[in-house]
Amino acid sequence: GQSLEQPSEVTAVEGAIVQINCTYQTSGFYGLSWYQQHDGGAPTFLSYNALDGLEETGRFSSFLSRSDSYGYLLLQELQMKDSASYFCAVRDQGWGKLQFGAGTQVVVTP
Amino acid sequence: EADIYQTPRYLVIGTGKKITLECSQTMGHDKMYWYQQDPGMELHLIHYSYGVNSTEKGDLSSESTVSRIRTEHFPLTLESARPSHTSQYLCASSSGEKLFFGSGTQLSVL
Repeated sequence: GQSLEQPSEVTAVEGAIVQINCTYQTSGFYGLSWYQQHDGGAPTFLSYNALDGLEETGRFSSFLSRSDSYGYLLLQELQMKDSASYFCAVRDQGWGKLQFGAGTQVVVTP
Repeated sequence: EADIYQTPRYLVIGTGKKITLECSQTMGHDKMYWYQQDPGMELHLIHYSYGVNSTEKGDLSSESTVSRIRTEHFPLTLESARPSHTSQYLCASSSGEKLFFGSGTQLSVL
C-alpha cells in the first residue's frame, strides 16, 4: 500500500519555528512537494524536493532524506497569516500524479 | 502564474440531477487533474489528462466522467448526483512539478 503520514495539528506562537514532518511509503518516488491551503481556499505550491537536502525559500524551507523516506517543512518567523493546512505530496509515478498526505493544520497564536 | 478557473463556486442540487463542473486554464498546460477533497481531509485524485483526447481515472473510484476536447478545458460530469457526491472538487493543471489549483466547486447534493 501507499501512505503518507504527517501530524494532524501543530500550534505555535507568532515568531516561533515549526517543523512539519512527513514520512512516506510509496511504490515509486520521484519527489516530495509541499502545498499550503487556507480555509476555503485552493492549495498553493510551496516547494519541491527531488534530491536529498535542504531547499530554502524565504521563511520556508523543505528537507528530504530519500534513504529514510522522510521529509519536513520548516516554517520560520511564524506569522498569523501562516495559519493554514500544509500538505505533503509524493509523485510516485507519472507526471503530476501526486499522492497527498492528510494535511497538518498549523495554528498560529498571538 | 497560471490562471485556472472553476465554475460554479458553489452548487446545491437535488438527487438524480445531471451536473457539469467547469474548469478552464489559460496557460496552455497539457496536464490537468480533478481532485476531490472533504473538509479537513486529504486530496484524492479522481481523473487526470495528459493532453487533448487523453483521460484516465485516478486512484479514487468516482462515478464522474471527464472529457478533454480542448487543451484549456477539462469539464467533469456527474450523470446522476447523489448525496454521497457532496464534496469539494478541485481542478488543477501542472507545469513541471508545480500544480496550480482552481478555487474549487463546493457541491452539495440534497
